[in-house]
Amino acid sequence: GENVEQHPSTLSVQEGDSAVIKCTYSDSASNYFPWYKQELGKGPQLIIDIRSNVGEKKDQRIAVTLNKTAKHFSLHITETQPEDSAVYFCAASHASGGSYIPTFGRGTSLIVHP
Amino acid sequence: DAGVTQSPTHLIKTRGQHVTLRCSPISGHKSVSWYQQVLGQGPQFIFQYYEKEERGRGNFPDRFSARQFPNYSSELNVNALLLGDSALYLCASSLPTGTGGEQYFGPGTRLTVT
Repeated sequence: GENVEQHPSTLSVQEGDSAVIKCTYSDSASNYFPWYKQELGKGPQLIIDIRSNVGEKKDQRIAVTLNKTAKHFSLHITETQPEDSAVYFCAASHASGGSYIPTFGRGTSLIVHP
Repeated sequence: DAGVTQSPTHLIKTRGQHVTLRCSPISGHKSVSWYQQVLGQGPQFIFQYYEKEERGRGNFPDRFSARQFPNYSSELNVNALLLGDSALYLCASSLPTGTGGEQYFGPGTRLTVT
């Protein structure tokens, strides 16, 4: 089955700095890579995703990159703000029988200091 | 529009008891997935249902079961509770299969087994 590794487990930055979270996956069939943000006491919120036919995707201050050859993908957050503080999860999945069942990484706790 | 709703929010049970958790998907979403999230880890896939049919099952014992109703809401049942079942149980809904894989999570049910 799929195995997703995520690093670092904790990331502490100053407000305004950039943050980068990296993930690797094992199953070459995976073709859909979502990123989720989970705040304390809440469920994960889909913030951005990327598919295997795209190398990079941006949405305002966040961007994701994908290297299918190396089987790794990354989340980039620029101009970090205190409200970006949360746990971020990467995931990898592919359609099987018409269904996508993601495998999640262990999460990165991002702390943005004012 | 209402997001995914789950009930109850919190639940305390004793070892050996049974529990039923409930989920209502986003309007128009026909697929529901259940995940277990232990503190400090990413969500672990338990079940996926689409149009009342089981589409996937994770590596969980037979004590875990689920079903989906004609209105696409779903129940997760856990029998003979163990201390290790203490976790946040998340429900996610998605559009009909084949439309891309995006899953939207509810706030979760916090289950504590004593």
